[in-house]
Amino acid sequence: NAGVTQTPKFQVLKTGQSMTLQCAQDMNHEYMSWYRQDPGMGLRLIHYSVGAGITDQGEVPNGYNVSRSTTEDFPLRLLSAAPSQTSVYFCATRDYGYTFGSGTRLTVV
Amino acid sequence: GDSVTQMEGPVTLSEEACLTINCTYTATGYPSLFWYVQYPGEGLQLLLKATKADDKGSNKGFEATYRKETTSFHLEKGSVQVSDSAVYFCALSGIRWGAGGTSYGKLTFGQGTILTVHP
Repeated sequence: NAGVTQTPKFQVLKTGQSMTLQCAQDMNHEYMSWYRQDPGMGLRLIHYSVGAGITDQGEVPNGYNVSRSTTEDFPLRLLSAAPSQTSVYFCATRDYGYTFGSGTRLTVV
Repeated sequence: GDSVTQMEGPVTLSEEACLTINCTYTATGYPSLFWYVQYPGEGLQLLLKATKADDKGSNKGFEATYRKETTSFHLEKGSVQVSDSAVYFCALSGIRWGAGGTSYGKLTFGQGTILTVHP
């Protein structure tokens, strides 16, 4: 069992570029979510999904898109990156508890 | 809305010292409470949890008791080790409704406390 796998681990983008952060899980959990972690602010929920084909917004959804075509994958898309999106991004699944991936550190210059 | 407040860090201790990291919360209803730990370069790992008042969560020598009367969930360890150096997050989970009408178990995190233990 790999648990929750996030790729890439590090990424540098220029303002205005687009990219997709990948999240894959092999635990067959219905619930998946994306958080961003910023210094002094803990983690904040961006988007989440309660199953394939169903997504919804969390606390800070602006600038991010998601889709969920399979149970295993939940990619996070930045359509036009901004410096304010510099952060560490965590994907998490939930069954009886939360399982977090190891994170993607994104820098937008 | 829900909120979690942790003691300001960073906290620096010598090995075998006692640790307390304070955590208080504001929430409606009866949330579940968690402590997560983040080691350098890694994601968050669940350290312990408590789901109702007076429950005590424990793991790896760490303990925390769900105190509804003081809305607190302080993390304690009697003798810390160098390997305990990490960032510790207090969190609560409540039910929220998304814009699309689905519900989710919203995790609200404190800001994190950096713990450094010296030999």
